[in-house]
Amino acid sequence: KAGVTQTPRYLIKTRGQQVTLSCSPISGHRSVSWYQQTPGQGLQFLFEYFSETQRNKGNFPGRFSGRQFSNSRSEMNVSTLELGDSALYLCASAWDRGNTEAFFGQGTRLTVV
Amino acid sequence: KNEVEQSPQNLTAQEGEFITINCSYSVGISALHWLQQHPGGGIVSLFMLSSGKKKHGRLIATINIQEKHSSLHITASHPRDSAVYICAVLRSGGSNYKLTFGKGTLLTVNP
Repeated sequence: KAGVTQTPRYLIKTRGQQVTLSCSPISGHRSVSWYQQTPGQGLQFLFEYFSETQRNKGNFPGRFSGRQFSNSRSEMNVSTLELGDSALYLCASAWDRGNTEAFFGQGTRLTVV
Repeated sequence: KNEVEQSPQNLTAQEGEFITINCSYSVGISALHWLQQHPGGGIVSLFMLSSGKKKHGRLIATINIQEKHSSLHITASHPRDSAVYICAVLRSGGSNYKLTFGKGTLLTVNP
C-alpha cells in the first residue's frame, strides 16, 4: 500500500511569491493534517481536514490556507512568502479523526530567499 | 512551560546499550504518539498509546496516564537507531483534533 506522498520534495521561492504544496494520503484515509517544522519552533500544527472541510486550524496567519478534495488529496497554500516561512512542511493522514494512528509523508522543504 | 516536555534533549550511547527517552505532558490526552525522524526529514510513527505498554521489535513504549508520563525504550541499541525521537500528544475533549509535539530527543548511537 503506498504511503503518504508529498510533492514537491524541495522548493525554492522568492519573498513575496506564493506556493502550493500537495499531499496525497494513504488510500482510504479521510483525515489529512499539515504541520510546519522549523529549527526554532519545532513541529507546529497548521490545519486538519476531513471530508473536504477544515476542522481545526493552528495559530498561523491567514497567508496560510489549504483545502481538501473529494479524493482526500490536500493542498496547502502560502501567499506573500516571508523568509520565516522557510521550513519543512509535513502532512499526515489517518483513516479517521482523533484517536487513530497518523502516517506522515516525507515532507516538502521550502526555502524562501 | 511547554505542554509536552521531553528529556534528555540529546543522548549519546554505545552500540548495545539500553536507551530510555522520557516524555511528560501537562494536559488531558486521548493518545500519545512516539515518532522517529531521520536526517532528511521524513517522520515514521513508531507507536500510538492510550494506556499500558506496546512492544515492536527492540522498541518498547509505556504510558502512565495518572502521572502524565510516557517512556520510549530501545534495547540493544544500534547505530541505525540514531535519529530524533519525538513525543506528540493528542489532546482530549471536544472535536478539535491536533497533535502537540515535544522538542525531540536527538539520539546518537556510536559503533
